[in-house]
Amino acid sequence: AQSVTQLGSHVSVSEGALVLLRCNYSSSVPPYLFWYVQYPNQGLQLLLKYTSAATLVKGINGFEAEFKKSETSFHLTKPSAHMSDAAEYFCAVRGGANNLFFGTGTRLTVIP
Amino acid sequence: DTEVTQTPKHLVMGMTNKKSLKCEQHMGHRAMYWYKQKAKKPPELMFVYSYEKLSINESVPSRFSPECPNSSLLNLHLHALQPEDSALYLCASSSLVVSGIEQFFGPGTRLTVL
Repeated sequence: AQSVTQLGSHVSVSEGALVLLRCNYSSSVPPYLFWYVQYPNQGLQLLLKYTSAATLVKGINGFEAEFKKSETSFHLTKPSAHMSDAAEYFCAVRGGANNLFFGTGTRLTVIP
Repeated sequence: DTEVTQTPKHLVMGMTNKKSLKCEQHMGHRAMYWYKQKAKKPPELMFVYSYEKLSINESVPSRFSPECPNSSLLNLHLHALQPEDSALYLCASSSLVVSGIEQFFGPGTRLTVL
């Protein structure tokens, strides 16, 4: 069975600081992993995805994530936070029936 | 066109009303999904349609009735809902041809049940 765990329900960073959002996965098969962002009262937008090609995945808005099999992790990073990055971030793993299993989410606050 | 559209954006209904949520995509995707999202929670899968056939029903109460009239449209019919059904309802679609392809989400319908 597949699942993801997001460590930290709330992360605060200063504008210009490094953003690090943590995600660990559990999967009995090579996983397909995703990071989505959700702004208030909106749907989910894909930031990036891992599909077993490159372990370092670059996404939109300057975000990237590194797949580490030894650590079963897929942490999301951005070198310099911007005020517009404030949102809810969800890590997800694809299940065997075309469904997604989401983590509990991490709310990112950016302090000016 | 990489957009999933949902109507209405907001819906307020009484417990005796019948209403429908609509979702449309023109990306040629043959998988479509309904999710329910409560405040400060991740989306919870409700239904999955593959090739216009219901493939997953996550033990959703019968007061929610999905329908997939064609490969571009997905409806969610609502009847005799309860106040605890108030939530953001998200529609998504994805390809069934390419493995690992992401789901594209619509903006959601904010449902309030009085």
